[in-house]
Amino acid sequence: KAGVTQTPRYLIKTRGQQVTLSCSPISGHRSVSWYQQTPGQGLQFLFEYFSETQRNKGNFPGRFSGRQFSNSRSEMNVSTLELGDSALYLCASSLQGAVGTDTQYFGPGTRLTVL
Amino acid sequence: TQLLEQSPQFLSIQEGENLTVYCNSSSVFSSLQWYRQEPGEGPVLLVTVVTGGEVKKLKRLTFQFGDARKDSSLHITAAQPGDTGLYLCAGYASGSARQLTFGSGTQLTVLP
Repeated sequence: KAGVTQTPRYLIKTRGQQVTLSCSPISGHRSVSWYQQTPGQGLQFLFEYFSETQRNKGNFPGRFSGRQFSNSRSEMNVSTLELGDSALYLCASSLQGAVGTDTQYFGPGTRLTVL
Repeated sequence: TQLLEQSPQFLSIQEGENLTVYCNSSSVFSSLQWYRQEPGEGPVLLVTVVTGGEVKKLKRLTFQFGDARKDSSLHITAAQPGDTGLYLCAGYASGSARQLTFGSGTQLTVLP
């Protein structure tokens, strides 16, 4: 079974631009979560989508948005990029099993550098 | 303030030594997970502990969930260079069942 895939793997943008990252979950998984990982803040939850609906949102500004398609693939968008948005963006998918014990499977991440 | 505090932040040991990584919180977690992440890759799940007091063993790795479900530990016996990586604890806090909260991580280096 193929794992979670993320594209692109690396991205370089300049301040003020916007960016779209893509995530394809494991086949059969309906939940997709996005995380931002930086050396200073560690791994922080951005949002979670299930059946095309945002079900949970972390504490990030509105410049960070996402969506999920009917095939469970997900995209996240960051508008008006800032230097501090440079990070590894991780996507994770899960089956949505028992509440509180769901196993999330992570993709390799997209490394975004903002110049 | 991190909801999950991990210690130590960095650990460098010789092959064959034992080590313990701690994950502590003032909040109760319905479950705790441990991940290992290698450079350029996403975290890979090692184990999930659900019951207070639970102990799980995975070869040379032993995971324990505190009785009050507020803390966890990872013990590695006879560490090997292949154990090198970033170890992360993560959990679903009670009342935040859909939001996985991560600890700050422990960077382990095992020297041959």
